[in-house]
Amino acid sequence: DGGITQSPKYLFRKEGQNVTLSCEQNLNHDAMYWYRQDPGQGLRLIYYSQIVNDFQKGDIAEGYSVSREKKESFPLTVTSAQKNPTAFYLCASKGDGYTFGSGTRLTVV
Amino acid sequence: RKEVEQDPGPFNVPEGATVAFNCTYSNSASQSFFWYRQDCRKEPKLLMSVYSSGNEDGRFTAQLNRASQYISLLIRDSKLSDSATYLCVVISGGFKTIFGAGTRLFVKA
Repeated sequence: DGGITQSPKYLFRKEGQNVTLSCEQNLNHDAMYWYRQDPGQGLRLIYYSQIVNDFQKGDIAEGYSVSREKKESFPLTVTSAQKNPTAFYLCASKGDGYTFGSGTRLTVV
Repeated sequence: RKEVEQDPGPFNVPEGATVAFNCTYSNSASQSFFWYRQDCRKEPKLLMSVYSSGNEDGRFTAQLNRASQYISLLIRDSKLSDSATYLCVVISGGFKTIFGAGTRLFVKA
């Protein structure tokens, strides 16, 4: 079955550490997105990519980086510059509508 | 003013009740509208698209009012399993997508 796979499901980051969240899709969608969700808030766009080797900053890109070397993959790196990274991170791809991965819950320890 | 606003709720209703959610948007050029359902600690999943003529899927009815710039979701004969957060999604030209913060629904026996 087609879908989006995010890993890991839970991730713990130490202060000053970079971590990478994986997102893989087999839906053959060109467009992929990373969102951040905080309790009681809507999804906020971090980065998006409309095509391989191209990506754009979203509303809250500071402290994050992405790459899009393959159509299927859109990993997100949370760098040490992101001062408040604890959140629920959702990867999505867009065909007729948005399909989301199951999310990664990142916690700073 | 937020680009997309929803009543944060929560809505607490008994089984069998009819419940309505509204979502207002500020960009009159918005083109596509959706309702998503998000269960606790899970990813959002598409519930239904919203068309100008209104559309129905079983117990769920979605409507769009372009003049007043809002969309609505009506759930009839609510079930315990309808308990979730309901997100409205508004897409303007191109890839500008705004997610509402969501309205939490609790259906009680």
